[in-house]
Amino acid sequence: KAGVTQTPRYLIKTRGQQVTLSCSPISGHRSVSWYQQTPGQGLQFLFEYFSETQRNKGNFPGRFSGRQFSNSRSEMNVSTLELGDSALYLCASSLVQGLGTDTQYFGPGTRLTVL
Amino acid sequence: AQSVAQPEDQVNVAEGNPLTVKCTYSVSGNPYLFWYVQYPNRGLQFLLKYITGDNLVKGSYGFEAEFNKSQTSFHLKKPSALVSDSALYFCAVRDKGGTASKLTFGTGTRLQVTL
Repeated sequence: KAGVTQTPRYLIKTRGQQVTLSCSPISGHRSVSWYQQTPGQGLQFLFEYFSETQRNKGNFPGRFSGRQFSNSRSEMNVSTLELGDSALYLCASSLVQGLGTDTQYFGPGTRLTVL
Repeated sequence: AQSVAQPEDQVNVAEGNPLTVKCTYSVSGNPYLFWYVQYPNRGLQFLLKYITGDNLVKGSYGFEAEFNKSQTSFHLKKPSALVSDSALYFCAVRDKGGTASKLTFGTGTRLQVTL
């Protein structure tokens, strides 16, 4: 079974631009979560989607948004990019939402650099 | 609020020696605990999880972890380290009573295995 895929793998943008990242979960997985990884802040939860609805949101500004499609694929969008948004953005999928025992499987990430 | 502490930024061990990567947690109820490994320029790879039952959990690549409720710890162990085990290791927790899938991660421990 194919793993979680994320596109693109690398992005370079300039301040003020916006960016869209894509995530395709493992086949059959319906929950998608997004995390931001930076050297200073570590791994931080952005948001979670299940059945095309945002179920949980981390402590990030409204510039960070996402959506999920009927096939469980998800996108996240960052508008008005800031230098501090440079990070590795990780997508994780799991079978269902809110089941504590469920394992999240991560994709390879998208490395975003903001200049 | 749930939290995880990984007290060591780096652990150095010689190949063939046993290794331990430490993790302590804090949750309001009973925890679900996870270990992930990250290789350079890669996403997080699931190693093992503790849900309930035996305190010793066996996972991938010869890794195991010991859950200790009284010490609120979940240390990762391997009897004989390999150079290829060198990577960044993350401990994560999810509150059993919660409804979110999100994981709260520690800051990571870099494992360096030398010949």
